[in-house]
Amino acid sequence: DTGVSQDPRHKITKRGQNVTFRCDPISEHNRLYWYRQTLGQGPEFLTYFQNEAQLEKSRLLSDRFSAERPKGSFSTLEIQRTEQGDSAMYLCASSRGSGANVLTFGAGSRLTVL
Amino acid sequence: KNEVEQSPQNLTAQEGEFITINCSYSVGISALHWLQQHPGGGIVSLFMLSSGKKKHGRLIATINIQEKHSSLHITASHPRDSAVYICAVKENTPLVFGKGTRLSVIA
Repeated sequence: DTGVSQDPRHKITKRGQNVTFRCDPISEHNRLYWYRQTLGQGPEFLTYFQNEAQLEKSRLLSDRFSAERPKGSFSTLEIQRTEQGDSAMYLCASSRGSGANVLTFGAGSRLTVL
Repeated sequence: KNEVEQSPQNLTAQEGEFITINCSYSVGISALHWLQQHPGGGIVSLFMLSSGKKKHGRLIATINIQEKHSSLHITASHPRDSAVYICAVKENTPLVFGKGTRLSVIA
């Protein structure tokens, strides 16, 4: 296992379209996190899963955003009816255990909404 | 107000200089992370600490829980250390990140 993989790395879409990002965590990691990062800012928490259960969602995660981790392995983050303000880097990270452990980040998926 | 404040925001140093990046936070935490982010987005975890001091190679991280303050030190800095260094804290919920310190080390 070579780490956390994210796909696609870059996505350019038109406003109003739906986009989906995928994250494959390190296989033995049971926690998976989604963060969003805009230019010049630190990452902002969106949501996280422990196994297949979505345990917390940030208020940043509007109704247009949905995340799943159906089998407790890979996760998807879907954004419906994209807006220009959704343009950002979407980062996935995973960790083992209680969340007090070190996070391993993926390289991110950069979204540009035109 | 961000719960995690880093200083300085930007730092330029000459190769070989000793570098200190500071992080202050306003909440009670169970752990503090220092992360490194290179251009293109990849984030690497450098340290996770809840007390005292940790050292890895030329990097040293310290934390003072009472003062709610942590520092990241880089000894004998090198141009390859150029990156954004991010402090993140964990209270009861997933990590809260600072905005990062952009470090440029010039040869």
